[in-house]
Amino acid sequence: DAGVIQSPRHEVTEMGQEVTLRCKPISGHNSLFWYRQTMMRGLELLIYFNNNVPIDDSGMPEDRFSAKMPNASFSTLKIQPSEPRDSAVYFCASSPKGGAGTLYEQYFGPGTRLTVT
Amino acid sequence: QKEVEQNSGPLSVPEGAIASLNCTYSDRGSQSFFWYRQYSGKSPELIMSIYSNGDKEDGRFTAQLNKASQYVSLLIRDSQPSDSATYLCAVNVNGNKLVFGAGTILRVKS
Repeated sequence: DAGVIQSPRHEVTEMGQEVTLRCKPISGHNSLFWYRQTMMRGLELLIYFNNNVPIDDSGMPEDRFSAKMPNASFSTLKIQPSEPRDSAVYFCASSPKGGAGTLYEQYFGPGTRLTVT
Repeated sequence: QKEVEQNSGPLSVPEGAIASLNCTYSDRGSQSFFWYRQYSGKSPELIMSIYSNGDKEDGRFTAQLNKASQYVSLLIRDSQPSDSATYLCAVNVNGNKLVFGAGTILRVKS
């Protein structure tokens, strides 16, 4: 089975530009998570979805960040406008089940390395 | 107090030795605990999950959980140079999401 797929793998953009990161979760998984990883802050959860519905976006740093999941097989994380401090590796992960009170293993995609100059 | 704490290391062990990685967490309501391995420049890879007090073994890996002490550990037996990586402890908090520790760097010397 294919794992979590992310695109692009690398993105270099200039400050002020819009950036869109894409994720395809593992087929049949009900939950999808977006993380950001930096040396300073480690791995941080930005937002997660259960059955395509956003459940917790408290980790989204500010209004410049938005995420959508229009269907069970696709999600986007958008940054508009981008800033140099957004430079990080962004991971998408999926989990086979979700819902209040349950939590199962999360499987990570390869990540998108974002550099904002 | 951080929600999930790990010693950043590096932890250096000789090839063939047992590597012991430790993690403490603050949320007494946590029910699910995970260990991920992350090689430099790669994504975290799930290697162990544990939900009940005691030990869980999988090959050379053993996860240990003590909920009373809010402590989870990972033992790697017969350590190999290929085990050299950062090991992330993850714990569910607020019932619905994972919080990751900062990771422990393990170096296995041949």
